[in-house]
Amino acid sequence: GAVVSQHPSRVICKSGTSVKIECRSLDFQATTMFWYRQFPKKSLMLMATSNEGSKATYEQGVEKDKFLINHASLTLSTLTVTSAHPEDSSFYICSATRVGGMDSPLHFGNGTRLTVT
Amino acid sequence: GENVEQHPSTLSVQEGDSAVIKCTYSDSASNYFPWYKQELGKRPQLIIDIRSNVGEKKDQRIAVTLNKTAKHFSLHITETQPEDSAVYFCAAVYTNAGKSTFGDGTTLTVKP
Repeated sequence: GAVVSQHPSRVICKSGTSVKIECRSLDFQATTMFWYRQFPKKSLMLMATSNEGSKATYEQGVEKDKFLINHASLTLSTLTVTSAHPEDSSFYICSATRVGGMDSPLHFGNGTRLTVT
Repeated sequence: GENVEQHPSTLSVQEGDSAVIKCTYSDSASNYFPWYKQELGKRPQLIIDIRSNVGEKKDQRIAVTLNKTAKHFSLHITETQPEDSAVYFCAAVYTNAGKSTFGDGTTLTVKP
């Protein structure tokens, strides 16, 4: 149980285009999903907290107009990287907690390797 | 906000030896402390966790200890195996806020 699916696993796009990444909880409802960015050999950097039915909460230094987050249902959150640039190339990973389960471990998606050329 | 420091950043041990990774946190409100193992290019996997009302927890070769007064917690891996080689992350969570703060990670290498 507690499977989080993230899609796509890898994407290459041209500079200036937008890329959408989906994060789905497959067998549980997730009121809260988190989006992280991870640089090579570095830790997970929280970008934003996504709550179903409300606006995402962004961490300091993360541009909300650049990284659009939508949490339309209890099982789906999307991250759209708008007008991507080479410096946006990174490993993006989502995680989710169960409804009412803030003290439950995070369940991570497989991550998306974004390369902007 | 919460700040988590993790040491060491790299750790190399011989197969069969023990490995210890330590983390300290700053916010006394944090009450849940999971440890994750991440292999290259893959998702972090929970390996063990501990809540603030417990001082120690063990699961086969893996154990975690928590000292709330000193605000530090440690991961202990005994009888290490080459497949234990990975990056390990600690995290401190204030469950009311639902936000996890991760340590910078420890790259563990177990030499056969």
